[in-house]
Amino acid sequence: AQSVTQPDIHITVSEGASLELRCNYSYGATPYLFWYVQSPGQGLQLLLKYFSGDTLVQGIKGFEAEFKRSQSSFNLRKPSVHWSDAAEYFCAVGSDRGSTLGRLYFGRGTQLTVWP
Amino acid sequence: EADIYQTPRYLVIGTGKKITLECSQTMGHDKMYWYQQDPGMELHLIHYSYGVNSTEKGDLSSESTVSRIRTEHFPLTLESARPSHTSQYLCASSVKWRETQYFGPGTRLLVL
Repeated sequence: AQSVTQPDIHITVSEGASLELRCNYSYGATPYLFWYVQSPGQGLQLLLKYFSGDTLVQGIKGFEAEFKRSQSSFNLRKPSVHWSDAAEYFCAVGSDRGSTLGRLYFGRGTQLTVWP
Repeated sequence: EADIYQTPRYLVIGTGKKITLECSQTMGHDKMYWYQQDPGMELHLIHYSYGVNSTEKGDLSSESTVSRIRTEHFPLTLESARPSHTSQYLCASSVKWRETQYFGPGTRLLVL
């Protein structure tokens, strides 16, 4: 069955520091993957997605993610964090087969705190 | 930017009441979804729709029901609210399978 693991429940970084949020997935075929961000009281906003092709994908707000098939990972990175990046981040894997076609499976999220 | 709306944004209601959470999108998307979100937990799919007059239950058992009479509208109904229904409910839509899902702002429900 498809599943997503985000090992870090909460991460704290200083403003200007680099950031990496981890995501591991379980899926029997070629996955398509997403990172979403959620600010308090808001819905989820898409940061970036991977469907195929170049394994390094660029997203909004200066984020990027790298798909590594051998490690079943899709980690999110940003070279320099801004205070406005404080939010909760969700990784998701999509299914494109069978009875689960079109479904997204989400991790539990990583809460990011940014120190000034 | 996606145009998907949810009302109400916040709702406090007593046990046993019937409630309907509204979700509308103006993008003409065929696929629509309802997720339940609790703090520190994964989003769980509770209902989805392929298009008008098509609805399916998701992965998480839910006592709610949905309807899809119009493309743009996908309301979720609880016939008799209970405290266990307290949660945040997120609506989403997409053009087709394997495409980005766009989310509404959510409805935070508290059942007393």
